[in-house]
Amino acid sequence: EVQLVESGGGLVQPGGSLRLSCAASGFTFSSYWMSWVRQAPGKGLEWVADIKEDGSEKYYVDSVEGRFTISRDNAKKSVFLQMNSLRAEDTAVYYCARSYIRSWYNWGQGTLVTVPT
Amino acid sequence: QSALTQPPSASGSPGQSVTISCTGTSSDVGGYNYVSWYQQHPGKAPKLMIYEVSMRPSGVPDRFSGSKSGNTASLTVSGLQAEDEADYYCSSYAGSNNFYVFGTGTKVTVL
Repeated sequence: EVQLVESGGGLVQPGGSLRLSCAASGFTFSSYWMSWVRQAPGKGLEWVADIKEDGSEKYYVDSVEGRFTISRDNAKKSVFLQMNSLRAEDTAVYYCARSYIRSWYNWGQGTLVTVPT
Repeated sequence: QSALTQPPSASGSPGQSVTISCTGTSSDVGGYNYVSWYQQHPGKAPKLMIYEVSMRPSGVPDRFSGSKSGNTASLTVSGLQAEDEADYYCSSYAGSNNFYVFGTGTKVTVL
C-alpha cells in the first residue's frame, strides 16, 4: 500500500523558515517524480513544486521561485520542501504527492503551515 | 498562469448524472492530453479520479468518466450516489514554463 506521510508544518512568523518532509513507502520511490501541492484555507488547490526521479530537475510555481527549494533523498525515500522568507499568503495545507503521467496518483494527509499577518 | 474555469456548483438526485466542465486555453487543456480530475471530501486529501483526460485509476468506479473537446474538459458522474458529494478539481499540464494549473473547483451536491 502506498503511503505518503508529511511532517514539519506549524506556526511561523513572516520572514521565517520551515522545512517540510514527506516519507514515502509502498512503491519504488526513486522511479517517480514527486510534487508538493498546497491548499489555502477554504480555497482551491495550487501546484507548488516538482522534482525529477534523480533530483536533477526541479520546477516551481512563480510565487515561490527563489524562496522555496524542493529536494529528495532516494535512500531515505523522502522528499522535502525548504520554505524561506515565508509570507501570510503561504498559509496552507501542504500535500506531498506521487506524480504519474502528469497527474498526482497518491497524496499524503497534508501538513498545515500558518504564517500570520 | 490563470486557473482553469469550473462552475462553482453542480447537483443531481441519486441515480442521475452530473457533468462538470473545466475550461482553459490552448496553452493548457487544449494543448495537452494531460487533464486530470480530483475528488476531495471535507478535511480529506484529494483523490485522483481521472488522468490523461479519460483514464481511470484502479479502484475508481466506471461511473466516473472524462472527456475533452478543444479547450474544455469534462467529468461526468453517472448513477450519482451519496458518497459522490464532494469538491471536484480539474488540473492540466501547461508546458515547461507554467507546468501545472488547477481548476477553480466545483462542489457537487447529491440532492
